[in-house]
Amino acid sequence: EAGVVQSPRYKIIEKKQPVAFWCNPISGHNTLYWYLQNLGQGPELLIRYENEEAVDDSQLPKDRFSAERLKGVDSTLKIQPAELGDSAVYLCASSLSGTESNEQFFGPGTRLTVL
Amino acid sequence: AQKVTQAQTEISVVEKEDVTLDCVYETRDTTYYLFWYKQPPSGELVFLIRRNSFDEQNEISGRYSWNFQKSTSSFNFTITASQVVDSAVYFCALSEANSGYALNFGKGTSLLVTP
Repeated sequence: EAGVVQSPRYKIIEKKQPVAFWCNPISGHNTLYWYLQNLGQGPELLIRYENEEAVDDSQLPKDRFSAERLKGVDSTLKIQPAELGDSAVYLCASSLSGTESNEQFFGPGTRLTVL
Repeated sequence: AQKVTQAQTEISVVEKEDVTLDCVYETRDTTYYLFWYKQPPSGELVFLIRRNSFDEQNEISGRYSWNFQKSTSSFNFTITASQVVDSAVYFCALSEANSGYALNFGKGTSLLVTP
């Protein structure tokens, strides 16, 4: 069974440029998460989707970040415009909804460098 | 406020030594889950264990063991006879009902095992 797929794995951009990350969750997983991991820190939740609905986006900086999960499968996270402080690893995870045990499976992440 | 505290930022041991990674959590929920993840240098988060709040039994899996104590809100992780391949960053995480079971990670403990 394929795991969570993310692309690109690495991205280098100049500040003020836009950037987008793509995530394909494990087949059948209704819940999708985007996490941000700064260097030397644990991942922090940005947004959680149940199917195509964003049920928790309280930590998403909405002035420059946006996300979508059309059709409730793949998801895209966008930053526009990027700032130097956005350099981090962006992790996508998925899980089966309705399961309290909530075992989340993580993708390899996208490492963003903003110059 | 940090809900998961991993007080040890870095630990260095010599191969074959035992090592314990500490995790203290904070929650008001009666139903919650605790996790440990391993993040090797490759960057991918690897699930190690999940524990629910109603199960305080300690668990052993090979060289790994976990000690869950609700009285002290701790969920410590011990590696017995450490090996070089155990070198990684280890994250403890809390999942609560009132946050839709999203993972709330600690800052991680970097473990270095030298030959």
